[in-house]
Amino acid sequence: KQEVTQIPAALSVPEGENLVLNCSFTDSAIYNLQWFRQDPGKGLTSLLLIQSSQREQTSGRLNASLDKSSGRSTLYIAASQPGDSATYLCAFFKAAGNKLTFGGGTRVLVKP
Amino acid sequence: ETGVTQTPRHLVMGMTNKKSLKCEQHLGHNAMYWYKQSAKKPLELMFVYSLEERVENNSVPSRFSPECPNSSHLFLHLHTLQPEDSALYLCASSLNYNEQFFGPGTRLTVL
Repeated sequence: KQEVTQIPAALSVPEGENLVLNCSFTDSAIYNLQWFRQDPGKGLTSLLLIQSSQREQTSGRLNASLDKSSGRSTLYIAASQPGDSATYLCAFFKAAGNKLTFGGGTRVLVKP
Repeated sequence: ETGVTQTPRHLVMGMTNKKSLKCEQHLGHNAMYWYKQSAKKPLELMFVYSLEERVENNSVPSRFSPECPNSSHLFLHLHTLQPEDSALYLCASSLNYNEQFFGPGTRLTVL
């Protein structure tokens, strides 16, 4: 059974500091992984998608890496801003099947 | 309107009521999903539809009944729910099981 763990569960940083969010998974047979952002009471916004054949993806201040051998993905957010405050979720699409399995999320607060 | 939309955004119902949640996607996708998000629990996949055919039922109680009349619309019919079913219900869509795009969700409260 694929399990996805996100540590820490919550993170508070001053504005301008870089954010490092970790995601680990137990099954290396993944098709792709996706990072999402969720604001309180809202739906999920897709941030980055990494195919299993890729090692990283970048979009603006965001960079996500994937290391299948160690079962880890990391989301980096450079020069954090108060608007980055949200919950960040990682999720994996299994190679065999169509199930997207989510981690518990990391709740981020960026203080002005 | 673009993206994935869900109605209603908020719903309060009694345990004996029957209601339906609606999801519509305007992205030309061929797969649609229902997820449940409860407090302090990871998102749980409920149902997956591909080309209007249900391909996954993730051990969901029969009081939740999905319907996918076409590739753009997905419904979740609710009847005789329990208070523990109160949650945020999220709909998503994708093209060929790739990147998923989510709607804003329906906040459901069962009294």
